[in-house]
Amino acid sequence: DQQVKQNSPSLSVQEGRISILNCDYTNSMFDYFLWYKKYPAEGPTFLISISSIKDKNEDGRFTVFLNKSAKHLSLHIVPSQPGDSAVYFCAASAAGTASKLTFGTGTRLQVTL
Amino acid sequence: GAVVSQHPSWVICKSGTSVKIECRSLDFQATTMFWYRQFPKQSLMLMATSNEGSKATYEQGVEKDKFLINHASLTLSTLTVTSAHPEDSSFYICSVSGTGTDTQYFGPGTRLTVL
Repeated sequence: DQQVKQNSPSLSVQEGRISILNCDYTNSMFDYFLWYKKYPAEGPTFLISISSIKDKNEDGRFTVFLNKSAKHLSLHIVPSQPGDSAVYFCAASAAGTASKLTFGTGTRLQVTL
Repeated sequence: GAVVSQHPSWVICKSGTSVKIECRSLDFQATTMFWYRQFPKQSLMLMATSNEGSKATYEQGVEKDKFLINHASLTLSTLTVTSAHPEDSSFYICSVSGTGTDTQYFGPGTRLTVL
């Protein structure tokens, strides 16, 4: 049972444009969400997080939006840069912090010139 | 964020042997460490959670007698894969968490190949 889903396995965006990565979850107990970026053969790198008491969190080029009623979150990257090309994972926790994370299947982002 | 290292970065072993993987938190007091594995083209799956000085808590389906976890200090956790078999070949990643942080910081991972 995949409790965190990223339905788009890949996404291609032109440099300078907005990248929007989506994530859906089914467990209503999840109250903390994170996005990680991962390169092949490396560990995930933390990007941004959001608590369920918020609907938006922004950090530089990265903004995460949370729609609790739809059990949906998205990561916006503006403007997209070639160095953003990687696999992006969303993750969720039911403990209010980054405890016992459940990961999505990942979306491979390709930023083209 | 915390700096986390893993050793070795890759290892090849024969079926039936045991392999130890170290996870070190270099600049952070990791009260909690997590071990994940990732099979090709799949997501990261949590194997176990360990708190410093306590026994690890294993996720359903993970054999505790096969995957031995030791978290003896705030900076070191080890995962030993005992009697490894080819199906244990995977990418093993640790992460750390602790007081004052609301996220997990991941190590670079260890690629295990069992022949």
